[in-house]
Amino acid sequence: LAKTTQPISMDSYEGQEVNITCSHNNIATNDYITWYQQFPSQGPRFIIQGYKTKVTNEVASLFIPADRKSSTLSLPRVSLSDTAVYYCLVGGTDKLIFGTGTRLQVFP
Amino acid sequence: GAVVSQHPSRVICKSGTSVKIECRSLDFQATTMFWYRQFPKQSLMLMATSNEGSKATYEQGVEKDKFLINHASLTLSTLTVTSAHPEDSSFYICSASPGTGYTDTQYFGPGTRLTVL
Repeated sequence: LAKTTQPISMDSYEGQEVNITCSHNNIATNDYITWYQQFPSQGPRFIIQGYKTKVTNEVASLFIPADRKSSTLSLPRVSLSDTAVYYCLVGGTDKLIFGTGTRLQVFP
Repeated sequence: GAVVSQHPSRVICKSGTSVKIECRSLDFQATTMFWYRQFPKQSLMLMATSNEGSKATYEQGVEKDKFLINHASLTLSTLTVTSAHPEDSSFYICSASPGTGYTDTQYFGPGTRLTVL
């Protein structure tokens, strides 16, 4: 069974850039990578999705190297409200696998 | 846009009873709906995928007779936990997608916390 792993936790300060990585060694050709944010006792909220290279939207960037075996979510300038758990999701033709999740704590 | 609701948000029931959880897409038609289970401090685990008008597809290890899923319309899917036991206590989250594939964006509901006594 494919495993999608992330660092358990990360700490940062307000205003800093945060990069969260996800390892998905068994990613298949048809798989896309999506990142979600989850607050306690809430459903995940969509952040960004990509297939390869770099994708940017108004809240984040997603970097995917050529071999696609990993991806990095970049949050440009975090604030206290960005404290949450971040999940990568690898989804394709026949699977949906959430990563193990990274708990980001932002300090003032 | 793309709002998904779940009801109830929290339910406590006795062991052996059945519980129904509703998932609704409020402002779009959901061709596909997904049901997940999340235990404390763990990631989301996909339980099943349902397409409107079709039988749900269950993930390996998920008992289809215990977790009944109905996707009767393009805006409503229900998950019924039959004969619930304490080990079924968990956070159940649905998501909805206007597309048909696993690569389409999913919009998640707020979740339902089930506690079985």
